[in-house]
Amino acid sequence: DAGITQSPRHKVTETGTPVTLRCHQTENHRYMYWYRQDPGHGLRLIHYSYGVKDTDKGEVSDGYSVSRSKTEDFLLTLESATSSQTSVYFCAIRPGQVNTEAFFGQGTRLTVV
Amino acid sequence: SQQGEEDPQALSIQEGENATMNCSYKTSINNLQWYRQNSGRGLVHLILIRSNEREKHSGRLRVTLDTSKKSSSLLITASRAADTASYFCAHDTSGTYKYIFGTGTRLKVLA
Repeated sequence: DAGITQSPRHKVTETGTPVTLRCHQTENHRYMYWYRQDPGHGLRLIHYSYGVKDTDKGEVSDGYSVSRSKTEDFLLTLESATSSQTSVYFCAIRPGQVNTEAFFGQGTRLTVV
Repeated sequence: SQQGEEDPQALSIQEGENATMNCSYKTSINNLQWYRQNSGRGLVHLILIRSNEREKHSGRLRVTLDTSKKSSSLLITASRAADTASYFCAHDTSGTYKYIFGTGTRLKVLA
């Protein structure tokens, strides 16, 4: 298995609180991605990173921010959690941008009450 | 949104039958890839087809790509109950570092 770990695996939080999810890799891959998965929507890209301190918005970035201060960690922050952010969040890594596969973490199930 | 769409959304077949699922995308691509997901777990890569290829095989999997129609199909031959899963297509987008997934097809293979 690719060395990619998400934490926490499960979290319940209250509306309005900040939440940070962590993605940690041991593969030294350059590209990292955060997705959310909801029924009927597949995986939607939230933010991605193409290097340390290099990040950009995906398709559904409102209400989320990210940081990547070192190669191995990519943090996703929900600045003020809302019930619409209840979802399963997946982190993925890739060694290159073209013609390379992605490796996924096990996911974080987040519930905002 | 650049998210591609897959159809059908759900597919139920008998063991031994073939399963075909389709993916459409909206942008220019470098390649298209297919993934499998079991029961909400992380996705696992199945096969990659480059933009200059039209067909590719891997075991019981056959993938086609039509860049003029911006579409791809995944065929699973002689399906097994263990093939029950969700299947997603994914692609790079030319000019950005985005990696976009489709909406997925839920396949159920009945024993």
